[in-house]
Amino acid sequence: NAGVTQTPKFQVLKTGQSMTLQCAQDMNHNSMYWYRQDPGMGLRLIYYSASEGTTDKGEVPNGYNVSRLNKREFSLRLESAAPSQTSVYFCASSTGTGKKLNGYTFGSGTRLTVV
Amino acid sequence: LAKTTQPISMDSYEGQEVNITCSHNNIATNDYITWYQQFPSQGPRFIIQGYKTKVTNEVASLFIPADRKSSTLSLPRVSLSDTAVYYCLVGDSGSARQLTFGSGTQLTVLP
Repeated sequence: NAGVTQTPKFQVLKTGQSMTLQCAQDMNHNSMYWYRQDPGMGLRLIYYSASEGTTDKGEVPNGYNVSRLNKREFSLRLESAAPSQTSVYFCASSTGTGKKLNGYTFGSGTRLTVV
Repeated sequence: LAKTTQPISMDSYEGQEVNITCSHNNIATNDYITWYQQFPSQGPRFIIQGYKTKVTNEVASLFIPADRKSSTLSLPRVSLSDTAVYYCLVGDSGSARQLTFGSGTQLTVLP
């Protein structure tokens, strides 16, 4: 099925460990996004990529890095995980062009626990 | 970015029509209004989008008054499976500008 695929679905890290969350979309979308969602709260934007080759910080970028590997793939890296980064991470994509705001398509999320 | 205000929670019964209102007083001329639905342990799902007046699709209707400072998502004849969090977002994609998700409205449909 077409859409946004995230891996892994679950991960437990020890404080200080590093890891990369992978995201790929097959809808030929230009823009991709990484959000985090803490329990009982809305989504907060970490980083986004308006188009291949560009990335920008969102609302909560500290402790994260991203790479827009190609048009399909956008990865999120935690260099030194901290308990405060325990959250559910969602990747999303959109066409990102034109005057009309097009709907975002979200992945199913990665549930990350840092102990 | 235009800020939005929604009720934190709403309860309804199966078969009723549910209206969730969102306030966005500082909406900009180029901004569209978009609603998303999120079930537990899933990513948000696009429901409906509009600019002015009324938009209807197979899932919901969106009512936007002339001043565009608010909008109302209408869900006809809800069922238990409509229990979810509903987010109202305001923004444009002229430059792939990011959207801000608030805390949303937790809709609980009771039998």
